[in-house]
Amino acid sequence: DQQVKQNSPSLSVQEGRISILNCDYTNSMFDYFLWYKKYPAEGPTFLISISSIKDKNEDGRFTVFLNKSAKHLSLHIVPSQPGDSAVYFCAASADSNYQLIWGAGTKLIIKP
Amino acid sequence: DAGVIQSPRHEVTEMGQEVTLRCKPISGHDYLFWYRQTMMRGLELLIYFNNNVPIDDSGMPEDRFSAKMPNASFSTLKIQPSEPRDSAVYFCATSLVRADTQYFGPGTRLTVL
Repeated sequence: DQQVKQNSPSLSVQEGRISILNCDYTNSMFDYFLWYKKYPAEGPTFLISISSIKDKNEDGRFTVFLNKSAKHLSLHIVPSQPGDSAVYFCAASADSNYQLIWGAGTKLIIKP
Repeated sequence: DAGVIQSPRHEVTEMGQEVTLRCKPISGHDYLFWYRQTMMRGLELLIYFNNNVPIDDSGMPEDRFSAKMPNASFSTLKIQPSEPRDSAVYFCATSLVRADTQYFGPGTRLTVL
């Protein structure tokens, strides 16, 4: 039972354009959502998060949008840079459960 | 702080051998997590500790896997005996209070021949 789904295994975007990575979840108890970025041979690193009381959170080039009614969140990267090429994981947690539930990841490739 | 430290970074062993993976968490972090990453199953939570106490080990695949946290600055994940299907990257992660923002170590790439 995949509670957090990233349906696109990979995404290719031109440098300078917007990258949009999507994530869907099924558990309505999730109240905190995070995006992690992972380079090869390294552990995932925290990128940005959003609480369920918000619908948008922005940090520089990165913006996360949350649509609770659709149980959908997305990560926007504008403008995309070559260093953004990595695997991006969506994760979610519920206040009552001190665990992160992870998506399968989306590999983002930024083309020069 | 040096971040989460894992050792070894790479381990190659033969089937049937005992493997021990080590993790030093970030000082002051109350939660410690062991994950396994494979191509087929992605990132799987194996077990996590809160204040050195194992809370949920439901992700441990079988009895061949065991994890300990004898003190706040050290944890081990042991596989005995190891099998080729255990080949994966094993990550240790820690968090300060709530278990959502986790900090990952660089991982141990385990190959069982």
